[in-house]
Amino acid sequence: EIVLTQSPVTLSLSPGERATLSCRANQSISTYLAWYQQKPGQAPRLLIHDASKRATGIPARFSGSGSGTDFTLTINSLEPEDFAAYYCQQRYNWPPLTFGGGTKVEIK
Amino acid sequence: QLQLHESGPGLVKPSETLSLTCTVSGGSISTGRYFWGWVRQPPGKGLEWIGIIYYTGNTYYMPSLKSRVTISVDTSKNQFSLRLSSVTAADTAVYYCASLDTTVVEYYFDYWGQGTLVTVSS
Repeated sequence: EIVLTQSPVTLSLSPGERATLSCRANQSISTYLAWYQQKPGQAPRLLIHDASKRATGIPARFSGSGSGTDFTLTINSLEPEDFAAYYCQQRYNWPPLTFGGGTKVEIK
Repeated sequence: QLQLHESGPGLVKPSETLSLTCTVSGGSISTGRYFWGWVRQPPGKGLEWIGIIYYTGNTYYMPSLKSRVTISVDTSKNQFSLRLSSVTAADTAVYYCASLDTTVVEYYFDYWGQGTLVTVSS
């Protein structure tokens, strides 16, 4: 089973700052990684797939990068609505499809 | 645009079977483009994949849950269902149904239901 480790667990930033979130896999997963955003009380929303491709309707301030075992989600100039939890998910080797433990981006 | 909606009891007794149904609208469950799946989230914790089903009935399950999980599909009703047997308090979670695209965003969840909280308690 592929294990995804996200860091940090919590990221405290101010609106307008840049957020950098990390997801590390315990073995190479090529670029088969997605990022989801989840706001309290809501279902997750797909932001990025295949490491760097923005899903439909996702603003350009969200970008993904990485390959192999190390991946990054960058949110340029945080908007108030971006404060949420973020999860990565791999689909390189499944079942099972696996998620990371999540990073919460909170207002500083 | 697809819409998914979970339904089922919000309270299940320990050792009993949790049963949920997901109704799909805005598209056919038999389209072949999607797998249909379940993901759960214990209160305050992260996401856990439970399993997926194709409209043909092919299933894939989380290994740690495989002995207790059954996912089925009813194409005539445009629904798919989850059954989880012998539940314990550890199965208390928000359960989401979701579609796993196989074409544009390959094997990622692009549409989700709103989620339903299932509490296991006597």
